[in-house]
Amino acid sequence: DGGITQSPKYLFRKEGQNVTLSCEQNLNHDAMYWYRQDPGQGLRLIYYSQIVNDFQKGDIAEGYSVSREKKESFPLTVTSAQKNPTAFYLCASSIDTGSYTEAFFGQGTRLTVV
Amino acid sequence: QKEVEQNSGPLSVPEGAIASLNCTYSDRGSQSFFWYRQYSGKSPELIMSIYSNGDKEDGRFTAQLNKASQYVSLLIRDSQPSDSATYLCAVSRLSNTGKLIFGQGTTLQVKP
Repeated sequence: DGGITQSPKYLFRKEGQNVTLSCEQNLNHDAMYWYRQDPGQGLRLIYYSQIVNDFQKGDIAEGYSVSREKKESFPLTVTSAQKNPTAFYLCASSIDTGSYTEAFFGQGTRLTVV
Repeated sequence: QKEVEQNSGPLSVPEGAIASLNCTYSDRGSQSFFWYRQYSGKSPELIMSIYSNGDKEDGRFTAQLNKASQYVSLLIRDSQPSDSATYLCAVSRLSNTGKLIFGQGTTLQVKP
């Protein structure tokens, strides 16, 4: 089945630790995105990538890092510099970054700092 | 002013009624508009996209766009309890990066 797979579904992080969230897609999409959702809030863009080996900061990139070494994969690292990392993290992909392109989401990773 | 604004609700409608969800946006250069449905604890699911002024219908859903008024809406006819969810409005900027700007979502409750 084609789709976007995020893992793990739930993740617990201790203070001061870096953690990496996985996002894999087999849709042959060029563009991939990471969003963060806080309770009762809309989604905010962390990073996005239009092609392999290239990515740009979104609106709330501080404390996060990404890589795009393969078309299928766009992992997100939440670093210890992220002051309030507890949130629902959503990965999305789209065929390209044209104005009329639809984006589709993975099932999300819920990160909790303990 | 937020770039994309929605009334957070909850909007409560009886089963079988029409639910009307509204969204306004501030960037006149916005070109693409999307409605996502998000059930509690789940990820957003794309239900409608609209790019030109007017109405677009898909089953029980109708999206309406008025670029002059910077307004987009979603109508759900014959609302069902299974439609109870948060509906997110998203707008794509003119810059063609594929980035979506989301509203905070409207929670819809359909009561049997």
